[in-house]
Amino acid sequence: AQRVTQPEKLLSVFKGAPVELKCNYSYSGSPELFWYVQYSRQRLQLLLRHISRESIKGFTADLNKGETSFHLKKPFAQEEDSAMYYCALSGNTGFQKLVFGTGTRLLVSP
Amino acid sequence: EAQVTQNPRYLITVTGKKLTVTCSQNMNHEYMSWYRQDPGLGLRQIYYSMNVEVTDKGDVPEGYKVSRKEKRNFPLILESPSPNQTSLYFCASSRHDTDTQYFGPGTRLTVL
Repeated sequence: AQRVTQPEKLLSVFKGAPVELKCNYSYSGSPELFWYVQYSRQRLQLLLRHISRESIKGFTADLNKGETSFHLKKPFAQEEDSAMYYCALSGNTGFQKLVFGTGTRLLVSP
Repeated sequence: EAQVTQNPRYLITVTGKKLTVTCSQNMNHEYMSWYRQDPGLGLRQIYYSMNVEVTDKGDVPEGYKVSRKEKRNFPLILESPSPNQTSLYFCASSRHDTDTQYFGPGTRLTVL
């Protein structure tokens, strides 16, 4: 069964500090992994996906199959990064079943 | 503008009164899904659809129905709502499986 674990409900940092939002997954096949973000009063939107290997708004995430992790990182947090972040996993089985973690609220203080 | 729309955005109803939440996308996406978002539980998939007339259960389908008669629309039907269906509901669409999902603005439903 697919499972995504985000162990932190809330992560509070100061502006300029490094940020790491943790995500661990359980999936027997080869997963597709995503980070979605929800800013206050806005809809969820894709932040990045592992297959793209790109950096969005300074965030990066590396898929570590050995540790079954897909942690989201940013070296210097900004106040506008404050939002709810969801890690999500989709199997490669040919039909759409996206499983989300419970989310981590990032709060960046000035 | 490419988007996913949902209506209504807010709804307060009473137990047992049938309701429908509409979802529409203008991107010609094949895949559409419904999620509910609850504190501490994240987003859980209710139903999804791979194409017209093709739907399947997600993780929490009990108490919900869907239909996909047209590619652009994917309504969520609560035949007999109960208070435990009070939640924030999101519709999403994507071109195909494993692709980026585009979310609607959400519908906040309260069942008294």
